[in-house]
Amino acid sequence: DVKVTQSSRYLVKRTGEKVFLECVQDMDHENMFWYRQDPGLGLRLIYFSYDVKMKEKGDIPEGYSVSREKKERFSLILESASTNQTSMYLCASRHEVGVGGELFFGEGSRLTVL
Amino acid sequence: EDQVTQSPEALRLQEGESSSLNCSYTVSGLRGLFWYRQDPGKGPEFLFTLYSAGEEKEKERLKATLTKKESFLHITAPKPEDSATYLCAVQASGTYKYIFGTGTRLKVLA
Repeated sequence: DVKVTQSSRYLVKRTGEKVFLECVQDMDHENMFWYRQDPGLGLRLIYFSYDVKMKEKGDIPEGYSVSREKKERFSLILESASTNQTSMYLCASRHEVGVGGELFFGEGSRLTVL
Repeated sequence: EDQVTQSPEALRLQEGESSSLNCSYTVSGLRGLFWYRQDPGKGPEFLFTLYSAGEEKEKERLKATLTKKESFLHITAPKPEDSATYLCAVQASGTYKYIFGTGTRLKVLA
């Protein structure tokens, strides 16, 4: 079974802190994604990585950055956390099969910024 | 503009009471339509992929169907453990992006 592991299930941070959310997948997937999920808004794409060191901005990249130094690991960075970044963050991965294929999600990281 | 609309937002069923969830979509060339199940506080779990109109997929009490404008997730004789939020997503041809609906919250009462 594909396993996508997010390092922290619950985090509480203060405004202005730097926050790292880490994601590791064990199925040698080329593509990895970071989403945030908010009630009534659904899943919104923050960043997408199609290969090591390659990334593309999603629909809401402002206030976030990402790092992918190894194929299995994709990190989301909040340089200076703000209260409007309180959310559920979901990491996902998939094989590069043209541009199709289902996403496999991690368990999520619920971030609260005070 | 590509979009996905799910209905109803919430659904309460008695155990054994079959029903259907709807996912309406508009997309410029469908690459795939995906159904996920999400339990509270957890990440979405993949259920089905449908690629073309007329296609159907089944898994236990769930059956997904696809037309050119919408998909249905049929739940036959549901059990309380089927209670979850069901998400629908579409991917347009030529893009890596997925467009998610806001989900249907299903509650099955014993």
